[in-house]
Amino acid sequence: QVQLAQSGAEVKKPGASVKVSCKASGYIFTSYHISWVRQAPGQGLEWMGWISTYNGNTNYAQNLQGRVTMTTDTSTSTAYMELRSLSSDDTAVYHCARVDPTGDLIDYWGHGTLVIVSS
Amino acid sequence: QSALTQPRSVSGSPGQSVTISCTGTSSDVGSYNYVSWYHQHPGKAPKLIIYDVTKRPSGVPDRFSGSKSGNTASLTISGLQADDEADYYCCSYAGIYTWVFGGGTKLTVL
Repeated sequence: QVQLAQSGAEVKKPGASVKVSCKASGYIFTSYHISWVRQAPGQGLEWMGWISTYNGNTNYAQNLQGRVTMTTDTSTSTAYMELRSLSSDDTAVYHCARVDPTGDLIDYWGHGTLVIVSS
Repeated sequence: QSALTQPRSVSGSPGQSVTISCTGTSSDVGSYNYVSWYHQHPGKAPKLIIYDVTKRPSGVPDRFSGSKSGNTASLTISGLQADDEADYYCCSYAGIYTWVFGGGTKLTVL
């Protein structure tokens, strides 16, 4: 079955960076894309960006441009999301999610990684 | 990209039907038949329940149905059950590998 296993919770200080991993299994990694979505405490879902696992092309949400980098390692079927210059506003659960080959549907989700930004 | 607009909360009694609306713009909901719905129980990952406006993934009961008119999509849950109590999110494809989500609706089964 499709599984997206994410790395564990992180606590970071303002100004630091965080890198979250997402290891895929149960399907052919390069046949589907990956999106990252975050959820601040008590808030809704916010789409962060998309990466093609086939060629590494990316598209980031405008409000995160310059602070976020998404990458993949096809040898280990793992996707990564790095967010820099953290502030308390970045405290959230970060989910990776699978995007179907047609590129228009987010279907399976990882359980999420809690990132707390606090001094 | 602004978030899609959903009611903060809806409620219904077991066996009843509820409808959750999701209003976007002509750049997202109104332009694409790629609206999906997810429910999320506390502490769990979101789960896909409707895609392409009206389609249900395998295993999702036909009590869940979706529709769209103009810039507004809707999710209807009929025959409410206690386990339907969750947060519900709509999502629309917005072109060139971008997506926009709704703010979420808390469904309470009375």
